[in-house]
Amino acid sequence: GAVVSQHPSRVICKSGTSVKIECRSLDFQATTMFWYRQFPKKSLMLMATSNEGSKATYEQGVEKDKFLINHASLTLSTLTVTSAHPEDSSFYICSANDRGLNQPQHFGDGTRLSIL
Amino acid sequence: QKEVEQNSGPLSVPEGAIASLNCTYSDRGSQSFFWYRQYSGKSPELIMSIYSNGDKEDGRFTAQLNKASQYVSLLIRDSQPSDSATYLCAVTSYDKVIFGPGTSLSVIP
Repeated sequence: GAVVSQHPSRVICKSGTSVKIECRSLDFQATTMFWYRQFPKKSLMLMATSNEGSKATYEQGVEKDKFLINHASLTLSTLTVTSAHPEDSSFYICSANDRGLNQPQHFGDGTRLSIL
Repeated sequence: QKEVEQNSGPLSVPEGAIASLNCTYSDRGSQSFFWYRQYSGKSPELIMSIYSNGDKEDGRFTAQLNKASQYVSLLIRDSQPSDSATYLCAVTSYDKVIFGPGTSLSVIP
């Protein structure tokens, strides 16, 4: 079945560091990928829709200069948290599918980001 | 703002009982509805998808959809301790998938 790979699974770094998270569709092409953030005991909050070959669509309240998204190929989207601060510590998850929005999403395993 | 609502719980049921999880949504144009299960520290995994009014059964799970009432539910029969997790209701809305806040289920042995 369709698989989405997310890397790294865990990052611990100092405040002010920029962190890049990769999301790959392993056996299908994904023109669209989604990035979510999840705080402890909270639901998934959609941050942005990553569009292959064009700019990402950010949700209201998400700083596009803070969370840089690049979707340069049909199998890879990256999320870069720039100049990360402790309040950016969260669980970041990507998703994609190969059959359109009305079919279930395939999720990556998530990235636990901890900013000291 | 399109919304998906769920009771946050926690919902506790004894092992072997039926667990009932509910979800309401605000966008009447929504076409696809999903239930995901999420264990602590893990990403969501799909339990059921449902697209038309009525019931859909898959093993111990039954999803129910009522578009007129904008309501979708998930029943878990013969609940097992391994079913203890957070259950997320997700609804497509135009160009994105909106998740509810999740219901925490605890199955007591």
